[in-house]
Amino acid sequence: QVQLQESGPGLVKPSQTLSLTCTVSGGSISSAGYYWSWIRQHPGRGPEWIGYIYYNGDTYFNPSLQSRATISVATSKTQFSLKLASVTAADTAVYYCARVDINSAPTGFDLWGQGTLVTVSS
Amino acid sequence: EVVLTQSPATLSLSPGERATLSCRASRSVSTFLAWYQQKPGQAPRLLIYEASSRATGIPARFSGSGSGTDFTLTISSLEPEDFAVYYCQQRSNWGLTFGGGTRVEI
Repeated sequence: QVQLQESGPGLVKPSQTLSLTCTVSGGSISSAGYYWSWIRQHPGRGPEWIGYIYYNGDTYFNPSLQSRATISVATSKTQFSLKLASVTAADTAVYYCARVDINSAPTGFDLWGQGTLVTVSS
Repeated sequence: EVVLTQSPATLSLSPGERATLSCRASRSVSTFLAWYQQKPGQAPRLLIYEASSRATGIPARFSGSGSGTDFTLTISSLEPEDFAVYYCQQRSNWGLTFGGGTRVEI
């Protein structure tokens, strides 16, 4: 059974780069038909899609975050990462990694990590 | 960007009652719409995809309908574990966005 787990610093200073990793256990990122995504959620608000990477390496981003966000896959093919540059307090949120399986549920995110809280503060 | 507006913001019901949640898109998204349930401290859980298809393991009391700009999530008879926040989400040529949520409370 495939599981996702986020990891990374819980505290980042303003203007620095937020870096998170999602470990995929029980499966491979390079398997065809999956989008691997980052989503965040500010307290009391709906989730916000950051972007995703397709199994072939193509990336897609929320236009509002595109200039600051990078998503990449580790050479191990069992981890993918998010980097968000020049963070401010507005980037404080719970960050989730999630998956789209285009063969079974093409519109929705069918698998999520538990989420990790990232606070931007000096 | 497609804006999703969910209504009502809060729905106060009792176990056994029927819940009807609405999601309206600012432009047509065809049937590229999903619904999620989220409980405190947990990640969202996919309920419905492609507007009306139930995700794996989701009980039959959950159903989705609609196309274009107007969508509905119906819970036919509320169970105690259904009290939570529900979000809609769309995927289209104009990106991917979530709605602001509807809280279903007792």
